[in-house]
Amino acid sequence: VQLLESGGGLVQPGGSLRLSCTASGFSFVNYAMTWVRQAPGKGLEGVSGMSISGGTTDYADSVKGRFTISRDDSKNTLYLQMNALRAEDTAIYYCAKATTMWFGATGDAFDIWGQGTMVTVSS
Amino acid sequence: DIHMTQSPSSLSASVGDRVIITCRASQAISGYLNWYQKKPGKPPELLIYAASNLQTGVPSRFSGSGSGTYFTLTITSLQPEDFSTYYCQQSHSTPRTFGQGTKLEIK
Repeated sequence: VQLLESGGGLVQPGGSLRLSCTASGFSFVNYAMTWVRQAPGKGLEGVSGMSISGGTTDYADSVKGRFTISRDDSKNTLYLQMNALRAEDTAIYYCAKATTMWFGATGDAFDIWGQGTMVTVSS
Repeated sequence: DIHMTQSPSSLSASVGDRVIITCRASQAISGYLNWYQKKPGKPPELLIYAASNLQTGVPSRFSGSGSGTYFTLTITSLQPEDFSTYYCQQSHSTPRTFGQGTKLEIK
């Protein structure tokens, strides 16, 4: 059971990046997924989540209108398209599997996490 | 948004001690509260879900309790590998929100 993120790196303010998270060892198609980030020296912040079949999506206010979550079940892969990046988006981005099909379902939890990918927004 | 507040923010303890970390929600969330352990350079790990349910594989020295707005994470007989940062997270409504974290350090 594994999640592997990729796509992080150094980008200038205003730039774009697309993160990927490839799942293995479980039935990706049957679970909601999420992105959570941790800025340097800070705590955990939920960024975005998506239900099965590309259904319900949710975004933190801090990224709404700039980030887009998507998934390709044929590739067992979750994506996060990040546009108009700001210095405050600098963080390690983790993808995680929810314990339910529907993101935001009452009582869910995030039980499998990737190792994370670092995003640095700086000129 | 539901605001989660943990206390203390940091805590010093010794191997073998019993510690309690508290988490308060800004509004009632029933029992929809999860606890995660976060070590430097590692991803978070789910410890407790739905306030009091131990995740598979987590040692029984970890336990959780609470409902409504007040929750606790108790670790009995601290082991060296337990010194890390702990986060609560509410699963009552979106956006999912985390507490600010409690850093548990060796005394």
